[in-house]
Amino acid sequence: AQSVTQPDIHITVSEGASLELRCNYSYGATPYLFWYVQSPGQGLQLLLKYFSGDTLVQGIKGFEAEFKRSQSSFNLRKPSVHWSDAAEYFCAVGASGTYKYIFGTGTRLKVLA
Amino acid sequence: DTAVSQTPKYLVTQMGNDKSIKCEQNLGHDTMYWYKQDSKKFLKIMFSYNNKELIINETVPNRFSPKSPDKAHLNLHINSLELGDSAVYFCASSQGTLGEAFFGQGTRLTVV
Repeated sequence: AQSVTQPDIHITVSEGASLELRCNYSYGATPYLFWYVQSPGQGLQLLLKYFSGDTLVQGIKGFEAEFKRSQSSFNLRKPSVHWSDAAEYFCAVGASGTYKYIFGTGTRLKVLA
Repeated sequence: DTAVSQTPKYLVTQMGNDKSIKCEQNLGHDTMYWYKQDSKKFLKIMFSYNNKELIINETVPNRFSPKSPDKAHLNLHINSLELGDSAVYFCASSQGTLGEAFFGQGTRLTVV
């Protein structure tokens, strides 16, 4: 069955520190992978996506993610976190022809000043 | 110019009432979705439509009835609302599943 796991429910980092949010997926075919961010009371905004090609993808707001097929992972990273990055982060997987995106349970990021 | 817009943003209603949420996208996409986000922030797909045709119905109670009058609109009607229906409902659209989904701002439904 298709699934997405985000092992960390909450993560707290200090402003200026580096960040890595973990995502593991289970999918039979080659998936499309996404990271979304949700600020309080807002909808979901796409940070970055991976379809094929270079396994290191760059996104908005200084985020990047690396696809590792051998580990079924798509971890999100940022070298220096800003207070405005505090939000809920969702990893998602989709595939052509499936007409749905499966989301992980989310990781809530707290940033300490 | 909002890409995916939902109305209303907030909806407070009593148990047993019937309510509708409207969604419109101006991205020219052919696929639209309804997702439900529960109090623990878990996002679960409810329905997906492709070219106005229902593709996915993820074991949603039949009190929920989506309707897609055209490719740009997907509305959600809920009959006989229950306390457990309280959640945030998100509309989204995509071009098939060849790309990312674009989400609306959500409708926070509170059933009292």
